[in-house]
Amino acid sequence: EPEVTQTPSHQVTQMGQEVILRCVPISNHLYFYWYRQILGQKVEFLVSFYNNEISEKSEIFDDQFSVERPDGSNFTLKIRSTKLEDSAMYFCASSESFRTSSYNEQFFGPGTRLTVL
Amino acid sequence: GENVEQHPSTLSVQEGDSAVIKCTYSDSASNYFPWYKQELGKRPQLIIDIRSNVGEKKDQRIAVTLNKTAKHFSLHITETQPEDSAVYFCAASPSGGYSTLTFGKGTMLLVSP
Repeated sequence: EPEVTQTPSHQVTQMGQEVILRCVPISNHLYFYWYRQILGQKVEFLVSFYNNEISEKSEIFDDQFSVERPDGSNFTLKIRSTKLEDSAMYFCASSESFRTSSYNEQFFGPGTRLTVL
Repeated sequence: GENVEQHPSTLSVQEGDSAVIKCTYSDSASNYFPWYKQELGKRPQLIIDIRSNVGEKKDQRIAVTLNKTAKHFSLHITETQPEDSAVYFCAASPSGGYSTLTFGKGTMLLVSP
């Protein structure tokens, strides 16, 4: 069964450094998402992406964050200048085209644990 | 925006017992309610979902009920097994899978043999 993949599984960085988290969504999916989960807390929406542009973003997704689909398979989240409070598990998710159904499951990747020191 | 409350935060049951997890939501525009199971260190995985046009859905030992008037929905697990132990998250979305999922804080379910 196809799965969303993410790399790296764990990223350690110094405060102020830039990080890029990478995701490969399921190949026929057109909607992509980033969520984060601070240790012991709930999953929080960051941003959704469709047709090479941001569809929705939360208050968390400020100017320090950006997303990109640099090629036909990768979907990246960049944090320009990391802060201690950015330490969290970051999940990528994808879902199929809305043309096939009005409701589509969001499939989650295994996550990247980001630790900012 | 949407706010999803989930209770209880932890739930301990004996193997074979039933478990019920409850969620409430605030946005009446929400019409899609998935439940995700997250085992320790693993990704959230969808176990069941319900749309606003039905009041109940069942899949083997798992069932979900929805009360749109009261804005609450519940997950029911019958005949619990140790492998059901995980964190369960409810979520709500106004437009289905291609829109923002707002999650509850999660319920840690512990099933003792």
